[in-house]
Amino acid sequence: KAGVTQTPRYLIKTRGQQVTLSCSPISGHRSVSWYQQTPGQGLQFLFEYFSETQRNKGNFPGRFSGRQFSNSRSEMNVSTLELGDSALYLCATRDPTGTDTQYFGPGTRLTVL
Amino acid sequence: KQEVTQIPAALSVPEGENLVLNCSFTDSAIYNLQWFRQDPGKGLTSLLLIQSSQREQTSGRLNASLDKSSGRSTLYIAASQPGDSATYLCAVSLNKLSFGAGTTVTVRA
Repeated sequence: KAGVTQTPRYLIKTRGQQVTLSCSPISGHRSVSWYQQTPGQGLQFLFEYFSETQRNKGNFPGRFSGRQFSNSRSEMNVSTLELGDSALYLCATRDPTGTDTQYFGPGTRLTVL
Repeated sequence: KQEVTQIPAALSVPEGENLVLNCSFTDSAIYNLQWFRQDPGKGLTSLLLIQSSQREQTSGRLNASLDKSSGRSTLYIAASQPGDSATYLCAVSLNKLSFGAGTTVTVRA
């Protein structure tokens, strides 16, 4: 089985712009979670989608949003980018067989100038 | 709010030594605990998952224990190799994963 894929792998944007990141889960995995990783704050939970519905959300401002499509692929969007949004954005999918193991993609490195 | 702490923050050992990485968490109401490995600039690789009802899990040279009542987990890596150099993260799961800051391990050849 192919692993979790994320596109693009690297992005450079300027303050005020918006960005969309994409995550394709492992085939058969319907849950997709997003995390932000920074040197100062570590890994922080953004939100989780399951069957096109957001079922959990972290403590991030409304500039961070997401959605999930019927094929389980997910996108997250960040509007009005700030310098502090520079981070590695990781998505994870949850094993549906009951082990609850989460599998992570390689991440998208976002740099905001 | 769940707080996850990993000690030590960094560890350097000669090849062949056993590694002991510690993780503690404040809220024992968890579904499971998962250990991950992260190489620089890369995503996370799942190493071991321990369900809340289990006491330990083993995979090859890796062994992880869980004491839910005291809020502790330990990851043991036997006979370390230079390829084990990475950052190791533990995460506890309820409705989401709550991560520790990680332990950065360097195994010297």
